[in-house]
Amino acid sequence: DVQLVASGGNLVQPGGSLRLSCAASGFTFSASWMSWVRQAPGKGLEWVAKIKYDGSETYYLDSVKGRFTISRDNAKNSLYLQMNSLTAEDTALYYCVKAPWKEGKLWFDPWGQGTLVTVSS
Amino acid sequence: DIQMTQSPSSVSASVGDRVTISCRASQGINSWLAWYQQKPGTPPKLLIYTASFLQDGVPSRFSGSGSGTDFTLTITSLQPEDFATYYCQQANSFPLTFGGGTKVEMK
Repeated sequence: DVQLVASGGNLVQPGGSLRLSCAASGFTFSASWMSWVRQAPGKGLEWVAKIKYDGSETYYLDSVKGRFTISRDNAKNSLYLQMNSLTAEDTALYYCVKAPWKEGKLWFDPWGQGTLVTVSS
Repeated sequence: DIQMTQSPSSVSASVGDRVTISCRASQGINSWLAWYQQKPGTPPKLLIYTASFLQDGVPSRFSGSGSGTDFTLTITSLQPEDFATYYCQQANSFPLTFGGGTKVEMK
């Protein structure tokens, strides 16, 4: 079974930094595109970043570009999200998501349980 | 950015009802649309991709249709486990964007 276990979420002050990790198992991580998607409390879904299976391509939501960095370590089957200059608008549950190629595009499946990031003073 | 607009934002229905949820893209996205189901306290689950392809293990009472800018998710006979929030998502271009969600509630 695919497992995506995210960790690293915490309470952080505005302007602070946090690094999220996601431990992947049950599939060939080094052959899989991966993404982070977030969900603010009681709100909808917002895609944050995506990374190619070899780390050679990354894509970001405009509002996090320059502040967040997605990366991966295929030897450790791990995905990361380095988040700097955090603001209250970044408060959300962050999901680590596998992005399989199906019928022409990459989709989000499956999703991990998420890790909560709270930005507040 | 492509805006995804879902309607209605909520719908009240009974077990056995046929439920239809709409999703409109602010510009054409071909068939690059997915539908996800999310139950309280759990992560979303992929139901349908490329507008009409059913994800493995998803019951056949779920179906998707549409192309271009207008899409529909249909649940032909609502079951108790289908009460949830449904989101559409476009994969045509970055940034990848989701609709605001449709909550299917018990009447």
